[in-house]
Amino acid sequence: AQSVTQLGSHVSVSEGALVLLRCNYSSSVPPYLFWYVQYPNQGLQLLLKYTSAATLVKGINGFEAEFKKSETSFHLTKPSAHMSDAAEYFCAVIGQAGTALIFGKGTTLSVSS
Amino acid sequence: EPEVTQTPSHQVTQMGQEVILRCVPISNHLYFYWYRQILGQKVEFLVSFYNNEISEKSEIFDDQFSVERPDGSNFTLKIRSTKLEDSAMYFCASRKDGGNTGELFFGEGSRLTVL
Repeated sequence: AQSVTQLGSHVSVSEGALVLLRCNYSSSVPPYLFWYVQYPNQGLQLLLKYTSAATLVKGINGFEAEFKKSETSFHLTKPSAHMSDAAEYFCAVIGQAGTALIFGKGTTLSVSS
Repeated sequence: EPEVTQTPSHQVTQMGQEVILRCVPISNHLYFYWYRQILGQKVEFLVSFYNNEISEKSEIFDDQFSVERPDGSNFTLKIRSTKLEDSAMYFCASRKDGGNTGELFFGEGSRLTVL
């Protein structure tokens, strides 16, 4: 069955530092992978998605992710963190049965000045 | 910009009571979903709905739960005889089409507290 594992429930960086949020997937078929962000008291918003086109995917707010089949990874990065990036980030994969997203446990990103 | 709206934003209920959570998906979307997030845990898929019937459901979605699209705009989740462990944030989402690459648009959630 499809699943994702997010390594690290909490990541703290300084403003201007590199952001790296890790996600590994398990899938019996070529996966469709997503990163969503949840700001406090808000719903989930799509950051970017991988749909078997380019392996390096660019999303909103300067985030990008690289699909690496050999490592079964889809890590999210941003070269320079901003205070406004502080949020909960979820990696997700399309479930095998259909169109429902299966989410990871989430990683809380804290950004300090 | 079109958005998914959910009501109520927060509901407190007594154990054993029935709860209905309401969602208004984006108007031209065809696929609807409910997810829940227990505090401190991951977002879990409950059910998907298309063409007035359930298209997919998880093992969480047992006989205690039901979904309905009573009119052309609302999509509801009913929880019968609530239990303490039903306390969670419930998210509604909608998608325009059924392709695996389509984006899910989420509402801001309804927080359910069962006492």
